[in-house]
Amino acid sequence: DQQVKQNSPSLSVQEGRISILNCDYTNSMFDYFLWYKKYPAEGPTFLISISSIKDKNEDGRFTVFLNKSAKHLSLHIVPSQPGDSAVYFCAASEESGGSNYKLTFGKGTLLTVNP
Amino acid sequence: DAMVIQNPRYQVTQFGKPVTLSCSQTLNHNVMYWYQQKSSQAPKLLFHYYDKDFNNEADTPDNFQSRRPNTSFCFLDIRSPGLGDAAMYLCATSIYPGLRTDTQYFGPGTRLTVL
Repeated sequence: DQQVKQNSPSLSVQEGRISILNCDYTNSMFDYFLWYKKYPAEGPTFLISISSIKDKNEDGRFTVFLNKSAKHLSLHIVPSQPGDSAVYFCAASEESGGSNYKLTFGKGTLLTVNP
Repeated sequence: DAMVIQNPRYQVTQFGKPVTLSCSQTLNHNVMYWYQQKSSQAPKLLFHYYDKDFNNEADTPDNFQSRRPNTSFCFLDIRSPGLGDAAMYLCATSIYPGLRTDTQYFGPGTRLTVL
């Protein structure tokens, strides 16, 4: 049972436009959310995160929005660049067994930014 | 550069033949994780070590074992691989599992094929 869902397997946008990647979750215990970016033949790398006490976090061209009531978050990339083409994973964490935190990932969305 | 290294990058084994995957890190992180990612699926946590303390996920099959002989190295042992164990295996590290902002750093993965 998928607790973190990325319902769009792929997304294609033009260079310079906005990319919006979406993520939904079902576990109300999740209180910290992360986006990872993965290039082919490399491991995922951390991109941006947001705590459940916030509804927005911005880092340069990347902004993550969190809507707790809808259990939905989104990653906005503005402006999109060809180098942003990668698989983007949404992940969520909850306290698990004391002080250990476990990440639950979505299946990922392949973003292609066309020049 | 400090990093997470996985060897080999590609591993082919026969049905039922034990196989070991290796992960090493130069980050001196306390925590090492093993994830399994099947094709078009989300990475799934198998287990993690916090120093020498082993933490197994409840749904990780007994066929999967792990060893951490020292801070730098962690091994994933698959005792009797089945066809369903073919996947990408990702190793990750983090400084301390209790920090809500603790980032996980991933290796490039080992792709396991079972014949």
